[in-house]
Amino acid sequence: SHELTQPPSVSVSPGQTARITCSGSTLPRQYAYWYQQKTGQAPLLIIYKDNERPTGIPSRFFGSTSGTTATLTISGVQAEDEAVYFCHTPDNSGYSCLFGGGTKLTVL
Amino acid sequence: DVQMVESGGGLVQAGESLRLSCKGSGFTFGSFWMTWVRQASGKGLEWVANIKPDGSETHFVDSVKGRFTISRDNSENSVYLQMSSLRVDDTAIYFCVRGIQDLDYWGQGTLVAVSS
Repeated sequence: SHELTQPPSVSVSPGQTARITCSGSTLPRQYAYWYQQKTGQAPLLIIYKDNERPTGIPSRFFGSTSGTTATLTISGVQAEDEAVYFCHTPDNSGYSCLFGGGTKLTVL
Repeated sequence: DVQMVESGGGLVQAGESLRLSCKGSGFTFGSFWMTWVRQASGKGLEWVANIKPDGSETHFVDSVKGRFTISRDNSENSVYLQMSSLRVDDTAIYFCVRGIQDLDYWGQGTLVAVSS
């Protein structure tokens, strides 16, 4: 089955590095995408095609993949980074997609 | 600026129908796949459906196949989600999104609430 698994929560102190993982069997064959969703807001694309950042996304957000795991790394975490982060990948057809369950990042 | 604005949400009873609309602006609407994604309160994101730029191809999540249809009118820069036989578990905020894989611009969403 096509599933993406994320940890429910990650906590870090300001200035530290946060790592959020996303595991799924299709990741070796499909790109990973990451979205940030702050409370009451629509999701925001922050990483596309594994490791590309859209214009305006700070360089402290970094995406990587290895085998069946994609990782979102946030270096020098700031209070404003507190949000839920979702990973997403297309299925093998490329037409439908699946989201991970989301990871709540808490900045202590 | 690229923008998507959804409308048409509301409170309905199970079994009823609803049509969501989404108007895009700030980009060449007819060149992009468009996608609907939903989110139940306090829950994660769920891909619902998408439609090819010329409207000739559509795809749906299994749970809505046969009940939802998606269409578009490129002359109006709009995409629609016709929802029929609504169920309580269809209750969610429905987001209109540009793209098929890189979902790069999202509307603010419209709330659909289905009561039993």
